[in-house]
Amino acid sequence: EPEVTQTPSHQVTQMGQEVILRCVPISNHLYFYWYRQILGQKVEFLVSFYNNEISEKSEIFDDQFSVERPDGSNFTLKIRSTKLEDSAMYFCASSERARQGVQETQYFGPGTRLLVL
Amino acid sequence: AQSVTQPDIHITVSEGASLELRCNYSYGATPYLFWYVQSPGQGLQLLLKYFSGDTLVQGIKGFEAEFKRSQSSFNLRKPSVHWSDAAEYFCAVGASLRFYNQGGKLIFGQGTELSVKP
Repeated sequence: EPEVTQTPSHQVTQMGQEVILRCVPISNHLYFYWYRQILGQKVEFLVSFYNNEISEKSEIFDDQFSVERPDGSNFTLKIRSTKLEDSAMYFCASSERARQGVQETQYFGPGTRLLVL
Repeated sequence: AQSVTQPDIHITVSEGASLELRCNYSYGATPYLFWYVQSPGQGLQLLLKYFSGDTLVQGIKGFEAEFKRSQSSFNLRKPSVHWSDAAEYFCAVGASLRFYNQGGKLIFGQGTELSVKP
């Protein structure tokens, strides 16, 4: 069964460093998402991406964050200058083509645990 | 604004006992509702979803959930719990999309951690 994959599974970085989290969505999916879960808190939406542009982003997704689909298979989240509070599990998700008015199912990857020291 | 509440942070049940995990949502229109499960070290796996139609939906691993509009609830149930069901369970709500280019964000509840006693 097709699945979303993410690399790395764990990343440790120093505050102020740039990190890139990578995701390979399910191959025929067109919508891509990033969520994060700070330890002990809810899973929170960061950004959605369709047709090579951001379709929606949350207040968390400030100028330090960016997303890119550099080729036909990868979807990346970059954090330019990490802060301690960026420590979290980051989940990538993808969904099929949306029909207008219908929320399609999102399929999640296993996550990347980011620790900022 | 949309929101999801899972009132129970942690539940312990005995193996073979029945289970009900509570989920209440706040949303102005008909919501799209999901239950996901997260096992340790794993991603979020979809258990079941409600879009429209029959208010009792069946999912994988013997789970079901019932949508009750009058109570704004979407509780997850299983008649007989297995030790392998120990995990964290998340309820989520999604919005009806106005435009095709909206992917549609999900709003998650806090999660309920399920422990299973032998």
